[in-house]
Amino acid sequence: DIQMTQSPSSLSVSVGDRVTISCRASQSISTYVHWYQQRPGKAPNLLIYASSNLQPGVPSRFSGSGSGTDFTLTISSLQPEDFATYFCQQSYSMWTFGQGTKVEV
Amino acid sequence: QVQLQESGPGLVKPLQTLSLTCTISGGSLTSGSHYWSWIRQPAGKGLEWIGRFYTTDGTTNYSPSLKSRATISADTATNQLSLKLSSVTAADTAVYYCARDRGDGHYGPVGYWGQGILVTVS
Repeated sequence: DIQMTQSPSSLSVSVGDRVTISCRASQSISTYVHWYQQRPGKAPNLLIYASSNLQPGVPSRFSGSGSGTDFTLTISSLQPEDFATYFCQQSYSMWTFGQGTKVEV
Repeated sequence: QVQLQESGPGLVKPLQTLSLTCTISGGSLTSGSHYWSWIRQPAGKGLEWIGRFYTTDGTTNYSPSLKSRATISADTATNQLSLKLSSVTAADTAVYYCARDRGDGHYGPVGYWGQGILVTVS
């Protein structure tokens, strides 16, 4: 099975900061990586699909990149509502999620 | 709009079988080409995919780590997806989500989530 290693596990940032979260797959998975935001007590919400495509309704400060084994989620200028936990997911073979990155003050 | 609602006991004793049901509205277990999945999340931890049912051919797939204990089945008459997890331990305590792909193909993202149900093993 495909493992997704996400880093860092947590990130202390300030409003306005640029945030970068990484995900590495244990084998090449083309661009079949998606990114989700999860707030406490809620189900995850899709931000980016197929590595770099912005889900409709998601602010343009979110972007994604990568192919093969290395993928990145970037928040260009962190807003107060972006303090949350972020997960990557691969759908190349079954589904696997990264362990999450908590973005906190 | 597809809506998913998990239900079942919130407390299960160790070594018993956890049984959950996902009631589906706005979608069908017999139409389209979709993956209906169960995903869980222990408190403060990451998401773990348990397994899925594929509408096109009725097959199921499981995470290797849970394959020996998990069973996913679909009741097309009631439009419900179920999960059974046998021989549970405290490590199975988690919020369990029912989920479906977004509908844009085999490699698409998760598009629909239930609200989740907390199951405690104690």
